[in-house]
Amino acid sequence: EIVLTQSPATLSLSPGERATLSCRASQSVSSYLAWYQQKPGQAPRLLIYDASNRATGIPARFSGSGSGTDFTLTISSLEPEDFAVYYCQQRSNWPPHFGQGTRLEIK
Amino acid sequence: EVQLVESGGGLVQPGGSLRLSCAASGFTFSSYWMSWVRQAPGKGLEWVANIKQDGSEKYYVDSVKGRFTISRDNAKNSLYLQMNSLRAEDTAVYYCARDFGSTYYFDYWGQGTLVTVSS
Repeated sequence: EIVLTQSPATLSLSPGERATLSCRASQSVSSYLAWYQQKPGQAPRLLIYDASNRATGIPARFSGSGSGTDFTLTISSLEPEDFAVYYCQQRSNWPPHFGQGTRLEIK
Repeated sequence: EVQLVESGGGLVQPGGSLRLSCAASGFTFSSYWMSWVRQAPGKGLEWVANIKQDGSEKYYVDSVKGRFTISRDNAKNSLYLQMNSLRAEDTAVYYCARDFGSTYYFDYWGQGTLVTVSS
């Protein structure tokens, strides 16, 4: 089973700043990685799939990069609504598996 | 508008059973793989099971194999999860989710239904 390790566990930033979230896989997942955003009491929302493709309706300030074992989600300029928990998820190996999450909080 | 609405959660004793339902609307339900994903209180996400468009293929995470059964009724646009021999560690919010293009990515999710296994 592939293990996804997200870092940092918590990221404290201010609106307008740039956020960089990391996801590292225990073995290569090629580009088969997605990112989700989850706000308290809500379901997750798909942001990025196949490492760098934005899902429908996702603002351009969200971008994904990486391949193999190292991936990054970047939010170019934080909006107040971006403070949430972010999860990465791989589909390269079965079963699909999620990372433990990064909490993005307001500084 | 795509909508997924789960129901059927609740409090159940260890060893008990529960059947979750997910009502889908706003898309051609019979054209998509569907999944159940769960989230224990304060924890991360765990994929549980999925089912092919026509119900001919079903897959489960090891921890629920032999205890949970996923099914669907395309005529009713509904997805189900029959959960038997429930354990405390099955306590979670259960989400139904649409598989995005048969990829094991999930582009639409319901709001979830809470299952609590406790005596």
